[in-house]
Amino acid sequence: GQNIDQPTEMTATEGAIVQINCTYQTSGFNGLFWYQQHAGEAPTFLSYNVLDGLEEKGRFSSFLSRSKGYSYLLLKELQMKDSASYLCAAMDSNYQLIWGAGTKLIIKP
Amino acid sequence: GAVVSQHPSWVICKSGTSVKIECRSLDFQATTMFWYRQFPKQSLMLMATSNEGSKATYEQGVEKDKFLINHASLTLSTLTVTSAHPEDSSFYICSARSSGDHNEQFFGPGTRLTVL
Repeated sequence: GQNIDQPTEMTATEGAIVQINCTYQTSGFNGLFWYQQHAGEAPTFLSYNVLDGLEEKGRFSSFLSRSKGYSYLLLKELQMKDSASYLCAAMDSNYQLIWGAGTKLIIKP
Repeated sequence: GAVVSQHPSWVICKSGTSVKIECRSLDFQATTMFWYRQFPKQSLMLMATSNEGSKATYEQGVEKDKFLINHASLTLSTLTVTSAHPEDSSFYICSARSSGDHNEQFFGPGTRLTVL
């Protein structure tokens, strides 16, 4: 079956770095997405990886290893506004997104 | 990036009434639109996939007759919750994918439905 695993909740300190891991199993693979979702709002796109390696975009970076079925989202210089849920989603061979349950990130001062 | 709008943003209705939610792609043509439901503190749950001009494909456990989906044009899809009940209260989110681009879904802002 198809499955996405990510931690339920993580806590980090303002100004620090946090890494949110995601493992996936899908029927075929057309890329791995990370979305940010604040409470009561729709998800917003953060990153897309389809090739192995690290993609850096400002304070956020995303890494993919296709052979391991593994990705992580790295957030640097954490700010209070980064408190949100981070959703990992893998696109299968039918171009459908398979969603993880999301990781709630709590930032403490 | 591409913009997707939803209307209404929130709605409160009485049990037994029907509610229609519109999803529009404002600056691109969306051959495929997705309808999600999200209960508090839970992840997105895909309800159905809608392709322009054809019947929607519903996920297992989603009642077709209760959640009517129409994707009549390349910029508009509607979800109608028929005979709504309190357990249908949820956050409904649509997303749209443009033709020829399989690699990103653009989300609408969501519609919060409360059924009394």
